[in-house]
Amino acid sequence: DSGVTQTPKHLITATGQRVTLRCSPRSGDLSVYWYQQSLDQGLQFLIQYYNGEERAKGNILERFSAQQFPDLHSELNLSSLELGDSALYFCASSPSTAGNTIYFGEGSWLTVV
Amino acid sequence: GQSLEQPSEVTAVEGAIVQINCTYQTSGFYGLSWYQQHDGGAPTFLSYNALDGLEETGRFSSFLSRSDSYGYLLLQELQMKDSASYFCAVRDQGQAGTALIFGKGTTLSVSS
Repeated sequence: DSGVTQTPKHLITATGQRVTLRCSPRSGDLSVYWYQQSLDQGLQFLIQYYNGEERAKGNILERFSAQQFPDLHSELNLSSLELGDSALYFCASSPSTAGNTIYFGEGSWLTVV
Repeated sequence: GQSLEQPSEVTAVEGAIVQINCTYQTSGFYGLSWYQQHDGGAPTFLSYNALDGLEETGRFSSFLSRSDSYGYLLLQELQMKDSASYFCAVRDQGQAGTALIFGKGTTLSVSS
């Protein structure tokens, strides 16, 4: 158990819908990262927050957004969902922005039908 | 920008030694990390090299050559439980800020 908690674990939704994935980082970690993992794809970096502020942005679609709240939990919002958005979404955390060691949650499986 | 190249698949038998290579291109190199992911599970940290040379942690070792932009993960005395995907990663100081960027992963299959 890494100490990073993600909910929900599984989610099935229809195209065009909007979902919110939630992440609670390890106690004391200020950085939160979101990654997308599709079939046959590696871990695609989406976005990073540090202490409530956006720190780095990867290949995140405009339909996706995220935020980190004062209690340091983070939410990833996915809207206008398409079939291709079906993937495993991981949240990870680290104490600082310079984490070479980041700790992953168990992921949220999103299936868009 | 950054890119990482690693083989997509490697197969080996129990008790053998396997090496998973990783070459990288990145602006502002801060070290090479390795992560293990069992099927459907969370990636977990294995090792990190900031300086050239070999780092050993039990049956796993990791090597880095900064001049060659190359590293590898060496797994010895392979066990069935080592069947997993292995990812190399670099911290990028470019467009992606300071996030860890991962390669596409190498699927290791260990057979008896």
